[in-house]
Amino acid sequence: AQSVTQLDSQVPVFEEAPVELRCNYSSSVSVYLFWYVQYPNQGLQLLLKYLSGSTLVKGINGFEAEFNKSQTSFHLRKPSVHISDTAEYFCAVSGLSDKIIFGKGTRLHILP
Amino acid sequence: DARVTQTPRDKVTEMGQEVTMRCQPILGHNTVFWYRQTMMQGLELLAYFRNRAPLDDSGMPKDRFSAEMPDATLATLKIQPSEPRDSAVYFCASGPEGDTEAFFGQGTRLTVV
Repeated sequence: AQSVTQLDSQVPVFEEAPVELRCNYSSSVSVYLFWYVQYPNQGLQLLLKYLSGSTLVKGINGFEAEFNKSQTSFHLRKPSVHISDTAEYFCAVSGLSDKIIFGKGTRLHILP
Repeated sequence: DARVTQTPRDKVTEMGQEVTMRCQPILGHNTVFWYRQTMMQGLELLAYFRNRAPLDDSGMPKDRFSAEMPDATLATLKIQPSEPRDSAVYFCASGPEGDTEAFFGQGTRLTVV
């Protein structure tokens, strides 16, 4: 069975500072990993995904994530956050053409 | 602009009433997911379909919930009878064939009083 653990439920960070949102997964088969963002009263929107190839994945809005197989991690990073990045971020795992399982989310608070 | 459409956006109903939520997946997508989001449980997968056939509905309470795809352009999630603990935001998402990705609708916010 696949599962995702997001280690922080909330992360406060000052505007223009860097941020890392942590995600660990478990799976007995090859995995596909995702980060989604949810703005207030909205559905989820894909930020980036890892299917294969380069372990550093770049996404929209300046976010990137690194797949680390030995540590079973897929942490999300941004070098400089903006107030508009305030949202909830979800890490997710899936097998190919399989169901997508989400973590419980990390709420990112941008401090002025 | 292709998007997943969910109706209604908001629903308030009394305990014991039947609730039907509808979803129109993106044209050409063959996978449909239903998720429920609550503060306590986060995003829970209730069911998912591929080519209109249910592949996994193990996350769905069988006694009161049912999910169907009458045709490729419509997915439904029904609760009968509804209970206050069903209050949540229900999301539908669809995905293209041969790919692993979910495109989400705006959700249906259900309140059972």
